Amino acid sequence: NAGVTQTPKFRVLKTGQSMTLLCAQDMNHEYMYWYRQDPGMGLRLIHYSVGEGTTAKGEVPDGYNVSRLKKQNFLLGLESAAPSQTSVYFCASSYGRGRAQSSYNEQFFGPGTRLTVL
Amino acid sequence: AQSVAQPEDQVNVAEGNPLTVKCTYSVSGNPYLFWYVQYPNRGLQFLLKYITGDNLVKGSYGFEAEFNKSQTSFHLKKPSALVSDSALYFCAFLNAGNNRKLIWGLGTSLAVNP
Repeated sequence: NAGVTQTPKFRVLKTGQSMTLLCAQDMNHEYMYWYRQDPGMGLRLIHYSVGEGTTAKGEVPDGYNVSRLKKQNFLLGLESAAPSQTSVYFCASSYGRGRAQSSYNEQFFGPGTRLTVL
Repeated sequence: AQSVAQPEDQVNVAEGNPLTVKCTYSVSGNPYLFWYVQYPNRGLQFLLKYITGDNLVKGSYGFEAEFNKSQTSFHLKKPSALVSDSALYFCAFLNAGNNRKLIWGLGTSLAVNP
Protein backbone atom coordinates (compact mmCIF):
# COMPACT_ATOMS: atom_id res chain seq x y z
CA ASN A 1 0.00 0.00 0.00
CA ALA A 2 1.22 3.47 -0.85
CA GLY A 3 -0.64 5.00 2.11
CA VAL A 4 -1.23 8.72 1.64
CA THR A 5 0.40 10.37 -1.36
CA GLN A 6 0.51 14.03 -2.33
CA THR A 7 1.30 15.71 -5.62
CA PRO A 8 3.20 17.83 -6.34
CA LYS A 9 6.02 17.79 -3.78
CA PHE A 10 7.15 21.32 -4.53
CA ARG A 11 5.61 24.25 -6.35
CA VAL A 12 6.40 27.91 -6.87
CA LEU A 13 3.55 30.21 -7.86
CA LYS A 14 3.24 33.87 -8.65
CA THR A 15 0.67 35.95 -6.81
CA GLY A 16 -2.73 35.48 -8.41
CA GLN A 17 -2.03 32.13 -10.01
CA SER A 18 -4.15 29.12 -9.25
CA MET A 19 -3.27 25.52 -8.54
CA THR A 20 -4.65 22.27 -7.20
CA LEU A 21 -2.96 19.96 -4.74
CA LEU A 22 -3.94 16.32 -4.97
CA CYS A 23 -4.12 13.90 -2.06
CA ALA A 24 -4.78 10.21 -2.58
CA GLN A 25 -5.14 7.39 -0.08
CA ASP A 26 -5.48 3.68 -0.68
CA MET A 27 -6.60 2.63 2.79
CA ASN A 28 -10.35 3.07 2.24
CA HIS A 29 -10.44 5.80 4.89
CA GLU A 30 -13.60 7.78 5.44
CA TYR A 31 -12.03 10.94 6.85
CA MET A 32 -9.59 13.18 5.04
CA TYR A 33 -7.96 16.45 6.11
CA TRP A 34 -5.87 19.27 4.70
CA TYR A 35 -3.46 21.08 7.02
CA ARG A 36 -0.92 23.79 6.62
CA GLN A 37 2.24 23.96 8.71
CA ASP A 38 4.01 27.22 9.38
CA PRO A 39 6.96 27.86 11.72
CA GLY A 40 5.84 28.45 15.30
CA MET A 41 2.18 27.84 14.47
CA GLY A 42 1.99 24.08 14.45
CA LEU A 43 -0.59 22.42 12.26
CA ARG A 44 -3.72 24.29 11.28
CA LEU A 45 -6.71 22.59 9.70
CA ILE A 46 -7.84 24.12 6.41
CA HIS A 47 -10.70 21.88 5.32
CA TYR A 48 -11.77 18.34 5.98
CA SER A 49 -14.13 15.67 4.69
CA VAL A 50 -16.05 13.01 6.55
CA GLY A 51 -16.94 11.07 3.42
CA GLU A 52 -17.24 11.08 -0.34
CA GLY A 53 -19.09 14.14 -1.57
CA THR A 54 -18.88 16.02 1.74
CA THR A 55 -16.50 18.78 2.83
CA ALA A 56 -16.36 21.22 5.72
CA LYS A 57 -14.31 24.22 6.82
CA GLY A 58 -11.53 23.99 9.36
CA GLU A 59 -9.69 26.73 11.24
CA VAL A 60 -8.21 28.60 8.27
CA PRO A 61 -10.37 27.99 5.18
CA ASP A 62 -10.19 31.42 3.55
CA GLY A 63 -8.55 31.39 0.12
CA TYR A 64 -8.90 27.63 -0.30
CA ASN A 65 -11.50 25.30 -1.75
CA VAL A 66 -11.72 21.54 -1.64
CA SER A 67 -13.50 18.70 -3.34
CA ARG A 68 -13.94 15.02 -2.60
CA LEU A 69 -15.59 13.49 -5.61
CA LYS A 70 -14.06 10.08 -4.96
CA LYS A 71 -13.49 8.47 -1.59
CA GLN A 72 -9.79 8.03 -2.17
CA ASN A 73 -9.03 11.57 -3.36
CA PHE A 74 -9.16 14.95 -1.65
CA LEU A 75 -8.23 18.02 -3.69
CA LEU A 76 -7.16 21.37 -2.30
CA GLY A 77 -7.45 24.36 -4.60
CA LEU A 78 -6.00 27.84 -4.45
CA GLU A 79 -7.95 30.07 -6.82
CA SER A 80 -5.75 33.16 -6.50
CA ALA A 81 -2.55 32.49 -4.62
CA ALA A 82 -1.20 35.04 -2.14
CA PRO A 83 2.22 35.21 -0.45
CA SER A 84 0.48 34.44 2.87
CA GLN A 85 -0.27 30.99 1.48
CA THR A 86 3.41 30.13 1.32
CA SER A 87 3.54 27.07 3.56
CA VAL A 88 3.94 23.33 3.74
CA TYR A 89 0.67 21.54 3.11
CA PHE A 90 -0.12 18.13 4.53
CA CYS A 91 -2.95 15.81 3.76
CA ALA A 92 -4.08 13.18 6.25
CA SER A 93 -6.68 10.45 6.39
CA SER A 94 -8.18 8.23 9.05
CA TYR A 95 -10.66 5.44 9.44
CA GLY A 96 -13.29 5.17 12.08
CA ARG A 97 -17.00 5.34 11.69
CA GLY A 98 -19.22 4.84 14.67
CA ARG A 99 -19.26 5.92 18.28
CA ALA A 100 -17.23 3.16 19.86
CA GLN A 101 -13.86 4.11 21.30
CA SER A 102 -12.31 1.47 19.09
CA SER A 103 -13.03 3.78 16.17
CA TYR A 104 -10.87 6.60 17.56
CA ASN A 105 -8.01 6.04 15.19
CA GLU A 106 -4.89 7.90 14.28
CA GLN A 107 -4.50 10.02 11.18
CA PHE A 108 -2.05 8.96 8.49
CA PHE A 109 -0.12 11.76 6.85
CA GLY A 110 1.25 12.32 3.40
CA PRO A 111 4.80 13.58 2.79
CA GLY A 112 3.72 17.18 2.24
CA THR A 113 3.79 19.81 -0.50
CA ARG A 114 6.08 22.78 -0.12
CA LEU A 115 4.43 25.78 -1.77
CA THR A 116 6.04 29.16 -2.30
CA VAL A 117 4.01 32.10 -3.55
CA LEU A 118 6.07 35.00 -4.87
CA ALA B 1 -12.01 25.95 24.98
CA GLN B 2 -10.44 22.55 24.56
CA SER B 3 -6.72 22.61 23.99
CA VAL B 4 -3.40 20.89 24.42
CA ALA B 5 -0.24 22.66 25.41
CA GLN B 6 3.39 21.76 24.94
CA PRO B 7 5.16 24.04 27.38
CA GLU B 8 8.65 23.57 25.95
CA ASP B 9 9.59 24.76 22.48
CA GLN B 10 12.83 22.82 22.61
CA VAL B 11 14.26 19.98 24.65
CA ASN B 12 17.92 19.03 24.63
CA VAL B 13 19.16 15.72 25.96
CA ALA B 14 22.36 13.73 25.73
CA GLU B 15 22.36 10.43 23.90
CA GLY B 16 21.71 7.56 26.28
CA ASN B 17 19.88 9.73 28.81
CA PRO B 18 16.15 9.47 29.42
CA LEU B 19 13.98 11.98 27.63
CA THR B 20 10.65 13.56 28.42
CA VAL B 21 8.54 15.75 26.15
CA LYS B 22 5.70 17.38 28.02
CA CYS B 23 2.04 17.76 27.09
CA THR B 24 -0.85 19.05 29.15
CA TYR B 25 -4.47 19.15 28.14
CA SER B 26 -7.61 21.07 28.91
CA VAL B 27 -10.67 19.23 27.66
CA SER B 28 -14.20 18.59 28.71
CA GLY B 29 -15.24 14.99 28.76
CA ASN B 30 -12.90 12.08 28.15
CA PRO B 31 -9.46 12.99 26.84
CA TYR B 32 -8.30 11.03 23.81
CA LEU B 33 -4.65 11.89 23.35
CA PHE B 34 -2.08 11.23 20.66
CA TRP B 35 1.62 11.74 20.04
CA TYR B 36 3.14 12.22 16.60
CA VAL B 37 6.71 12.70 15.42
CA GLN B 38 7.93 14.67 12.42
CA TYR B 39 11.43 14.06 11.09
CA PRO B 40 13.01 16.81 8.97
CA ASN B 41 11.27 17.34 5.64
CA ARG B 42 8.85 14.50 6.29
CA GLY B 43 5.19 14.08 7.14
CA LEU B 44 3.96 13.31 10.62
CA GLN B 45 4.10 9.76 11.93
CA PHE B 46 1.87 8.35 14.63
CA LEU B 47 3.69 7.21 17.80
CA LEU B 48 1.00 6.25 20.30
CA LYS B 49 -2.40 7.08 21.69
CA TYR B 50 -4.38 6.96 24.90
CA ILE B 51 -8.06 6.20 24.53
CA THR B 52 -8.88 4.24 27.67
CA GLY B 53 -7.36 1.60 29.93
CA ASP B 54 -3.80 1.52 31.26
CA ASN B 55 -2.31 4.90 32.01
CA LEU B 56 1.06 3.85 30.58
CA VAL B 57 0.88 3.54 26.82
CA LYS B 58 3.66 1.99 24.77
CA GLY B 59 4.26 3.02 21.20
CA SER B 60 6.66 2.94 18.28
CA TYR B 61 10.45 3.30 18.42
CA GLY B 62 10.61 2.57 22.17
CA PHE B 63 8.50 5.57 23.18
CA GLU B 64 5.88 5.50 25.89
CA ALA B 65 3.55 8.03 27.44
CA GLU B 66 1.89 8.29 30.80
CA PHE B 67 -1.64 9.57 31.09
CA ASN B 68 -2.11 11.43 34.39
CA LYS B 69 -5.67 12.56 34.97
CA SER B 70 -5.01 14.49 38.17
CA GLN B 71 -2.25 16.53 36.53
CA THR B 72 -4.02 16.63 33.13
CA SER B 73 -0.80 15.54 31.47
CA PHE B 74 0.30 13.09 28.82
CA HIS B 75 4.10 13.28 28.76
CA LEU B 76 6.09 11.36 26.18
CA LYS B 77 9.07 9.42 27.48
CA LYS B 78 11.90 7.20 26.37
CA PRO B 79 14.38 5.53 28.73
CA SER B 80 17.45 6.03 26.54
CA ALA B 81 17.55 8.69 23.82
CA LEU B 82 19.13 8.16 20.42
CA VAL B 83 20.54 10.83 18.12
CA SER B 84 18.03 9.59 15.55
CA ASP B 85 15.19 10.62 17.90
CA SER B 86 15.96 14.25 17.09
CA ALA B 87 12.76 15.54 15.54
CA LEU B 88 9.65 17.64 16.11
CA TYR B 89 7.07 16.08 18.42
CA PHE B 90 3.39 16.95 18.49
CA CYS B 91 0.77 16.18 21.09
CA ALA B 92 -2.88 16.19 19.98
CA PHE B 93 -6.35 15.72 21.37
CA LEU B 94 -9.05 13.94 19.41
CA ASN B 95 -12.47 15.45 19.03
CA ALA B 96 -14.54 12.28 19.18
CA GLY B 97 -17.47 13.87 17.41
CA ASN B 98 -18.50 13.23 13.84
CA ASN B 99 -15.50 14.93 12.30
CA ARG B 100 -12.74 13.19 14.28
CA LYS B 101 -10.63 16.36 14.20
CA LEU B 102 -7.34 16.48 16.03
CA ILE B 103 -6.54 19.55 18.11
CA TRP B 104 -2.80 20.06 18.02
CA GLY B 105 -0.14 21.41 20.30
CA LEU B 106 2.47 23.67 18.74
CA GLY B 107 5.19 21.07 18.84
CA THR B 108 8.43 20.52 20.73
CA SER B 109 11.74 20.25 18.98
CA LEU B 110 13.87 17.49 20.49
CA ALA B 111 17.62 17.58 20.00
CA VAL B 112 19.61 14.56 21.12
CA ASN B 113 23.30 15.36 21.35
CA PRO B 114 25.98 12.70 20.76
